[in-house]
Amino acid sequence: DTAVSQTPKYLVTQMGNDKSIKCEQNLGHDTMYWYKQDSKKFLKIMFSYNNKELIINETVPNRFSPKSPDKAHLNLHINSLELGDSAVYFCASSRRGAEKLFFGSGTQLSVL
Amino acid sequence: KQEVTQIPAALSVPEGENLVLNCSFTDSAIYNLQWFRQDPGKGLTSLLLIQSSQREQTSGRLNASLDKSSGRSTLYIAASQPGDSATYLCAALIKAAGNKLTFGGGTRVLVKP
Repeated sequence: DTAVSQTPKYLVTQMGNDKSIKCEQNLGHDTMYWYKQDSKKFLKIMFSYNNKELIINETVPNRFSPKSPDKAHLNLHINSLELGDSAVYFCASSRRGAEKLFFGSGTQLSVL
Repeated sequence: KQEVTQIPAALSVPEGENLVLNCSFTDSAIYNLQWFRQDPGKGLTSLLLIQSSQREQTSGRLNASLDKSSGRSTLYIAASQPGDSATYLCAALIKAAGNKLTFGGGTRVLVKP
C-alpha cells in the first residue's frame, strides 16, 4: 500500500488555467507538506500543515492555495498558472513534524 | 538563514568502491539531519536521520556522521553497487517554528559495473 500518494503524476496545461494536485497519506501522520523541486533539482518547502492547521507558509505567490480537509489529506490548488510554475511538486508527511519525512512520488507540472 | 551545500554535485565510482558524500550547513542550531535518496522520476526515500544529540547512524552498508560544531555531515556507503546509483540529498531541520527542512542540492552518484 502506498504510504503517501499524490495525483496526478503528470499534469500538462496551458498558461492561465487553474489546476489542483491531490495528496493523501495513510500513515496516521499529523503533519503534511508541499515541496517544489525546480529544474536545478533544488527542493524548497512551500507549505506545512499540522492537524489541518497551516504552520509554514513560505514566500509563495497567493495563486497557490493549500487545502487540508482532514489530517490525511493536503491538496494544492494553483490559480492562473504561469510558465515559471513548471516544476515537480512533492507532497510529504511526518509524525509530529520532526521525524522522518515520507514523500509521495511527485507531480510533474508542465505549463505551456 | 540556513544554507545546506553538497559537494560534489556529481560523482562516478567503479563498483565495489566506498562512497563518501559530503553535506555542510551554515546554522549549527539544527534539530536533526536527514539523508534521502532520489531515483529519476521518483520521490525521495529517507535513508538515515541523525538527531542533533547523536554523532552517527548506521543502516546496513550506510553510515552517516554528524559534526554540528563544524557544520558537516557525511554519508558513507560501503562496497558500492550499481543499484546505489541515484541522487543523494541531505536536509537539515532547523530549530525554528514550523520545523522547516532545508535541502542541499544533492549529489548525483553513478556506480559503474
